[in-house]
Amino acid sequence: GNSVTQMEGPVTLSEEAFLTINCTYTATGYPSLFWYVQYPGEGLQLLLKATKADDKGSNKGFEATYRKETTSFHLEKGSVQVSDSAVYFCALSAPNAGGTSYGKLTFGQGTILTVHP
Amino acid sequence: DGGITQSPKYLFRKEGQNVTLSCEQNLNHDAMYWYRQDPGQGLRLIYYSQIVNDFQKGDIAEGYSVSREKKESFPLTVTSAQKNPTAFYLCASRRSTDSYNEQFFGPGTRLTVL
Repeated sequence: GNSVTQMEGPVTLSEEAFLTINCTYTATGYPSLFWYVQYPGEGLQLLLKATKADDKGSNKGFEATYRKETTSFHLEKGSVQVSDSAVYFCALSAPNAGGTSYGKLTFGQGTILTVHP
Repeated sequence: DGGITQSPKYLFRKEGQNVTLSCEQNLNHDAMYWYRQDPGQGLRLIYYSQIVNDFQKGDIAEGYSVSREKKESFPLTVTSAQKNPTAFYLCASRRSTDSYNEQFFGPGTRLTVL
């Protein structure tokens, strides 16, 4: 079946440091890939997405590139801010063996990011 | 503004009681989903519905029930059969014509069973 593996957290950084959160996946067919962010006590917000190989999703200074050869979708940001402190989820949507997905998302376990001033 | 609302934000219940969590969307989305979030485990799918009057079990449906009588509403009932109901519950919706399957999430309901 489909699965997503994220790097173990929590991740603690100083402001302006470089961020990488690793994400690898296993899926049938050609999945769409997503990064969602969850701020404390809130629901999930879509951060960025990529829908085919070599696509780069970007938003708010965050980037991730869909790498089919390594089945990865690592999240990066060149200079983090205190306001980036949140939980980050990698997710995919892929068809099942019958060729349908019903829009279901498969999530990684989430990575807690804390940025200190 | 279009979006998804969940109520209440916090819910406390005694063990053995059924409780219903509300989810309403005004995005005109056909598909709706319920997820459960536990610390360190990501999100797990409870139930989903592609159209009105139809829904399917997700990965952890035992102890839960849903209904989809209106396009805008997808309430979740946590029954007394759910062995460990304390969790954060998230509702989501999706436009069925979106082939990339982007989902939009509500703010969540934190259920605590005493």
